[in-house]
Amino acid sequence: AQSVTQLDSQVPVFEEAPVELRCNYSSSVSVYLFWYVQYPNQGLQLLLKYLSGSTLVKGINGFEAEFNKSQTSFHLRKPSVHISDTAEYFCAVSYIQGAQKLVFGQGTRLTINP
Amino acid sequence: NAGVTQTPKFQVLKTGQSMTLQCAQDMNHEYMSWYRQDPGMGLRLIHYSVGAGITDQGEVPNGYNVSRSTTEDFPLRLLSAAPSQTSVYFCASRISADSGNTIYFGEGSWLTVV
Repeated sequence: AQSVTQLDSQVPVFEEAPVELRCNYSSSVSVYLFWYVQYPNQGLQLLLKYLSGSTLVKGINGFEAEFNKSQTSFHLRKPSVHISDTAEYFCAVSYIQGAQKLVFGQGTRLTINP
Repeated sequence: NAGVTQTPKFQVLKTGQSMTLQCAQDMNHEYMSWYRQDPGMGLRLIHYSVGAGITDQGEVPNGYNVSRSTTEDFPLRLLSAAPSQTSVYFCASRISADSGNTIYFGEGSWLTVV
């Protein structure tokens, strides 16, 4: 079965510093990969997704992620964070074939300090 | 531009009571789903539907029922609430069962069972 592991439950960084949120998945078949953001007391919004093609995916708010098939990873990066990026970030994976359920990681809470 | 609408936003139940969380979408999406979010566990799929009249179980279906009589609505029923069902519930929809399509989330329903 597919599973997703987000390696850090909390990541504190200073404003304007770079950040990387790590995500690894386990699957023996082709998958789609997603990053979602959840601001306090809100639902989830799609940041970016990898379906096929270029392994570097750009999303909203200056975020990007790189799909690495050999390492089964999909890490999220931003070169310079802002206070407004404070939120919880979820990595998710879905099989391309068969039951196309979206499986989420445990979440990483990103805290930006001034 | 309503998107996915969930009601109620907050609810307190006593153990053994029943209730229904309502979910409606106005985007003519075929696929709808319910997730619960618990600290440190990400989002877990409860039930999903790939179209009117079709429902299936997700990862954590016990204690919950669903039905899909129309394309727009996908209510989640708790028949006999238990404290373990204290959680934040999210309804989500996407245009089709193809998980490459973006999934849209409601703003959540906070449920406390005492």
